[in-house]
Amino acid sequence: GNSVTQMEGPVTLSEEAFLTINCTYTATGYPSLFWYVQYPGEGLQLLLKATKADDKGSNKGFEATYRKETTSFHLEKGSVQVSDSAVYFCALSGGGSNYKLTFGKGTLLTVNP
Amino acid sequence: DSGVTQTPKHLITATGQRVTLRCSPRSGDLSVYWYQQSLDQGLQFLIQYYNGEERAKGNILERFSAQQFPDLHSELNLSSLELGDSALYFCASSVGGGHLPTRDTQYFGPGTRLTVL
Repeated sequence: GNSVTQMEGPVTLSEEAFLTINCTYTATGYPSLFWYVQYPGEGLQLLLKATKADDKGSNKGFEATYRKETTSFHLEKGSVQVSDSAVYFCALSGGGSNYKLTFGKGTLLTVNP
Repeated sequence: DSGVTQTPKHLITATGQRVTLRCSPRSGDLSVYWYQQSLDQGLQFLIQYYNGEERAKGNILERFSAQQFPDLHSELNLSSLELGDSALYFCASSVGGGHLPTRDTQYFGPGTRLTVL
């Protein structure tokens, strides 16, 4: 079945540092890939997505590229802010009629001033 | 604000009891998904409904059931509650999710935090 493996963390960075959170996946067919973010006490928000190989999703300075050859979708940001502190989830949904999201375990990011 | 609403926000109940969680999808979305988030299991897919019909089932216990009504809102019923059912329950919705392939995004509600004492 489908699975997602992401860097578990926690990750602690200083403001303006570079962020990478690794995510790799196993799936049949051609899944869509997502990063969701969960701020403290809130629900899940879609951060970015990519639906085919070599697509780059981007939002709020975050980027991730769908790499089919390495089955990866690593999240990056050039300069993090304190407000980026949250839990980040990598997820996939399968192609065809498999719509459910399969999530990684989440990575807690703390950014210090 | 995703446009998906969930009520109640918090629910505290005792073992053996039954509760109902409610979800209203975004306007125009036909699919509703339920997920459970717990510390030990992470985020797990429970069940999906599309336009009133059950479409897919995941790791949903037999004590749990769901339905989607003609107005497309959905309810998740949890019965004979156990301590281990304490979790955050999310509802998500998307436009598609029927029998045709789609790459729709799922938008999540704020969740219902269930505490079983």
